[in-house]
Amino acid sequence: GQQVMQIPQYQHVQEGEDFTTYCNSSTTLSNIQWYKQRPGGHPVFLIQLVKSGEVKKQKRLTFQFGEAKKNSSLHITATQTTDVGTYFCAGPPRVGGADGLTFGKGTHLIIQP
Amino acid sequence: DGGITQSPKYLFRKEGQNVTLSCEQNLNHDAMYWYRQDPGQGLRLIYYSQIVNDFQKGDIAEGYSVSREKKESFPLTVTSAQKNPTAFYLCASNEGTSGSTDTQYFGPGTRLTVL
Repeated sequence: GQQVMQIPQYQHVQEGEDFTTYCNSSTTLSNIQWYKQRPGGHPVFLIQLVKSGEVKKQKRLTFQFGEAKKNSSLHITATQTTDVGTYFCAGPPRVGGADGLTFGKGTHLIIQP
Repeated sequence: DGGITQSPKYLFRKEGQNVTLSCEQNLNHDAMYWYRQDPGQGLRLIYYSQIVNDFQKGDIAEGYSVSREKKESFPLTVTSAQKNPTAFYLCASNEGTSGSTDTQYFGPGTRLTVL
């Protein structure tokens, strides 16, 4: 079945440093989604990428979808303490279905002030 | 005030007991999902339902059961057959096949601890 892998599992940064997490799927994805989960909270949708090579920005966050639609990345510029949490990528197992999402294990971002 | 509610937030049960977790949504979404999250891990799909009175097993359905008698509700029962039930359980919904996106909206979750 479809597998989604994320690296690194944990990332410690000093406040103000940049952060990047990488996501790779074993199969081509129709779209990829990113979610953020704060400590003790639930996943919250951040963004969806659909097109090959797509790049989207949300303030300090930059999301990329690979040309082959099998990998993606999330880059945060100048991290702040509010960025703490776990970032998950997720993709649907098939196009247009409502079968749920396959999630990566997430990257835990820890920020030291 | 639209959204997904889950109750209770924390749940304790004795080994060998069945327990039912509640999930309600007023987003008028067709599809609903149950995920399990273990510490430091990602989310794994337990069951999902694309329409009322129909549901399918996810990747880790053994030891769980669900029902979908109403569009708004998708309760999950953790049975005594589930060998490692202690986890964080998340319910989610989306528009389903009638919608244009797979984006999922999550409830606040229920933390189940088996004593």
